[in-house]
Amino acid sequence: DTGVSQDPRHKITKRGQNVTFRCDPISEHNRLYWYRQTLGQGPEFLTYFQNEAQLEKSRLLSDRFSAERPKGSFSTLEIQRTEQGDSAMYLCASSLVAYEQYFGPGTRLTVT
Amino acid sequence: GESVGLHLPTLSVQEGDNSIINCAYSNSASDYFIWYKQESGKGPQFIIDIRSNMDKRQGQRVTVLLNKTVKHLSLQIAATQPGDSAVYFCAATQRSNDYKLSFGAGTTVTVRA
Repeated sequence: DTGVSQDPRHKITKRGQNVTFRCDPISEHNRLYWYRQTLGQGPEFLTYFQNEAQLEKSRLLSDRFSAERPKGSFSTLEIQRTEQGDSAMYLCASSLVAYEQYFGPGTRLTVT
Repeated sequence: GESVGLHLPTLSVQEGDNSIINCAYSNSASDYFIWYKQESGKGPQFIIDIRSNMDKRQGQRVTVLLNKTVKHLSLQIAATQPGDSAVYFCAATQRSNDYKLSFGAGTTVTVRA
């Protein structure tokens, strides 16, 4: 257990529905990253925060995706109007030393 | 952008033998390289990292070698155990892109008893 927690661990939703995932980083970590991982592939960067500021969004993150980290602690990732192509594992990682990112267990999303 | 790739998608190794997992990267500006282990249903677990100014780093039962000339790194696992069965990813990053990780596709290591 790395200390990064994610909720829920699994989510099954119907196409067109909205979903929200939560990540709680290691408490003293100021950076928080979101990645997406599809079967057989490595994680792909989506977005990251330093404290409450969202510093970058990947072009993989369409307008249907939004992430927040309102108080510089936990973060949420929302997907609106889900599509089948959104089915993936959504991983959160946190870091104090920037390149030492510690990952949570992930939220597996299945869009039917 | 950074392209990171592993040489073999699968590796089968006898328990007790040494394992070697290889990885190639494309961006010579990468500052740090990290190896992660991912077990089924879990997130990637940090194993060991190496800075670009080093060519070797050792941990507990693991050694990472970096060859910047050919943009290649490897992870060596000594005396492989059943608990080492997992998917292994190499990742590259650099300070100039704020340490966003670029991952390869992963090598699935299966340890035979």
